[in-house]
Amino acid sequence: RKEVEQDPGPFNVPEGATVAFNCTYSNSASQSFFWYRQDCRKEPKLLMSVYSSGNEDGRFTAQLNRASQYISLLIRDSKLSDSATYLCVVNGGSNYQLIWGAGTKLIIKP
Amino acid sequence: GAVVSQHPSRVICKSGTSVKIECRSLDFQATTMFWYRQFPKQSLMLMATSNEGSKATYEQGVEKDKFLINHASLTLSTLTVTSAHPEDSSFYICSASQVPSGSGNEQYFGPGTRLTVT
Repeated sequence: RKEVEQDPGPFNVPEGATVAFNCTYSNSASQSFFWYRQDCRKEPKLLMSVYSSGNEDGRFTAQLNRASQYISLLIRDSKLSDSATYLCVVNGGSNYQLIWGAGTKLIIKP
Repeated sequence: GAVVSQHPSRVICKSGTSVKIECRSLDFQATTMFWYRQFPKQSLMLMATSNEGSKATYEQGVEKDKFLINHASLTLSTLTVTSAHPEDSSFYICSASQVPSGSGNEQYFGPGTRLTVT
């Protein structure tokens, strides 16, 4: 089992729709969770951190489920500019190493 | 603030040659710099972690004699791919952190260098 797993997609979603995807992690000792966004051929950029109580930033909502060891990202009222690959990042527990998922590709269609 | 630059952004070289990639933190001092590699449709893979003034720590499976890392100052780290081969063609990204652990969002990423070895 991979340490961090994501559905690679692509998710093809019409503009204005709501889309959600999950990311599972294997290390129950992980403490920090993040969603990054990566555009084609560009570096990753931090989208949001994921706190135990959840985190909302505008149209984006992130949730953490420790019992089932997954985090989720919900995008409401999707825009064309949301098209990107969304990377799930989990710290490796005590050693602070970040473990990156392979990413979920999202395509927003007009 | 927290800008990281990389140079070159794109490089094409012949098999057997060496390529040096620079990573600079422009407006902060980077205690720790990380070098990642990303193959198409794959996740970022950490290659090595370097702390200023000390030897880099390489991840399992990464050849330290092939991927030479120098972190001579708090604003500059270099990655040299020695005797490059076509299988080394990849997207190389550096990130910099102001804190030793470099966990989470304290990492600031450079724009990446696309290496193509012919």
